[in-house]
Amino acid sequence: GENVEQHPSTLSVQEGDSAVIKCTSDSASNYFPWYKQELGKGPQLIIDIRSNVGEKKDQRIAVTLNKTAKHFSLHITETQPEDSAVYFCAAKAAGNKLTFGGGTRVLVKP
Amino acid sequence: EPEVTQTPSHQVTQMGQEVILRCVPISNHLYFYWYRQILGQKVEFLVSFYNNEISEKSEIFDDQFSVERPDGSNFTLKIRSTKLEDSAMYFCASLDRARTGELFFGEGSRLTVL
Repeated sequence: GENVEQHPSTLSVQEGDSAVIKCTSDSASNYFPWYKQELGKGPQLIIDIRSNVGEKKDQRIAVTLNKTAKHFSLHITETQPEDSAVYFCAAKAAGNKLTFGGGTRVLVKP
Repeated sequence: EPEVTQTPSHQVTQMGQEVILRCVPISNHLYFYWYRQILGQKVEFLVSFYNNEISEKSEIFDDQFSVERPDGSNFTLKIRSTKLEDSAMYFCASLDRARTGELFFGEGSRLTVL
């Protein structure tokens, strides 16, 4: 089945610094969403990208996707304490099932 | 903003008991999902449901699990005889008819099997 690898598993950054999370998908995915999960809550979509796009930005958050559509990254700039959460990348191939990465626990230190 | 709602938020049950987790997807969505997240681990796909039938299921979704959309609004996950390893957070999600948009997740139901 599909597999999504995500690194790092934990990431500690100083407030104001950038955070980068990387994922690799081994399937022929065409849609790559990123979810933010706060403690005790469900995953919330923060940004997504499709295989025909190389980069997408939304304020302090950006995603990049290389042309082979196997490597994709989340970039958070000017991190703030409220960015602390677990972030999951995901990939969707044929059909509608999302396969999630293992998650990255981000801690932004004030 | 439309949202997926789940009940109960937390259920504690004895091993071997049946459990039903309930979900109300977003009203105009047609594709429904259950995912599971064991504490501290990744979100895992269980099952997808469309047009009143299962469209895909994972290896986790064995004969102890079943899903149903009994009344056009609720979408339920039943675990017939719970095991200790069923303890997890169960998330319901729904997708709109265009299938190109966001998968909306509920807040989850925490199941604790003793």
